[in-house]
Amino acid sequence: KQEVTQIPAALSVPEGENLVLNCSFTDSAIYNLQWFRQDPGKGLTSLLLIQSSQREQTSGRLNASLDKSSGRSTLYIAASQPGDSATYLCAVERGTGANNLFFGTGTRLTVIP
Amino acid sequence: NAGVTQTPKFRILKIGQSMTLQCTQDMNHNYMYWYRQDPGMGLKLIYYSVGAGITDKGEVPNGYNVSRSTTEDFPLRLELAAPSQTSVYFCASSRGLAGGDTQYFGPGTRLTVL
Repeated sequence: KQEVTQIPAALSVPEGENLVLNCSFTDSAIYNLQWFRQDPGKGLTSLLLIQSSQREQTSGRLNASLDKSSGRSTLYIAASQPGDSATYLCAVERGTGANNLFFGTGTRLTVIP
Repeated sequence: NAGVTQTPKFRILKIGQSMTLQCTQDMNHNYMYWYRQDPGMGLKLIYYSVGAGITDKGEVPNGYNVSRSTTEDFPLRLELAAPSQTSVYFCASSRGLAGGDTQYFGPGTRLTVL
């Protein structure tokens, strides 16, 4: 069974700092990987989707990379802002089908003004 | 464009009661999903649907039932509520299969079973 781990569980940084969030998975035979943002009391918002043939995706100040051989993905946030404060979750797709998407437990990020 | 809407936002049930969590999407997505999120845990798939009239079990389906009579609606039914079903429930939809296509999530329903 695919296990998805995100460490640390919580992270606090001062505004303006660049930071990296980590996602590890046990089964390297994955298809795709997504990063989501979850604000308190709200649903998830998809940030970046890295498909199996890709190694990274970028959107604005966000950059996500994927290394399937080592079972790791990182989400890089440049010049962090207080508005970036949220929980960030990664999810890996082990195979095709709705029953093959596995979520990590998330990293709760706080950006201090 | 409302996206994915869920009702109610909060609910407290007594053990043994039943209820239906409503989910509606207005994006004409074929794929819809129900997840639960327990504190400190990742989301776990309860049921999913690949189109009207077609549903299938996810990782944790016990104690739940679903139906999909229309493209827009995907209600989740809890029969004989138990404390273990205390959780936050999220409905999601996507144009393509989860993982390979962007999922859009509703705001969630926070359910407490006492």
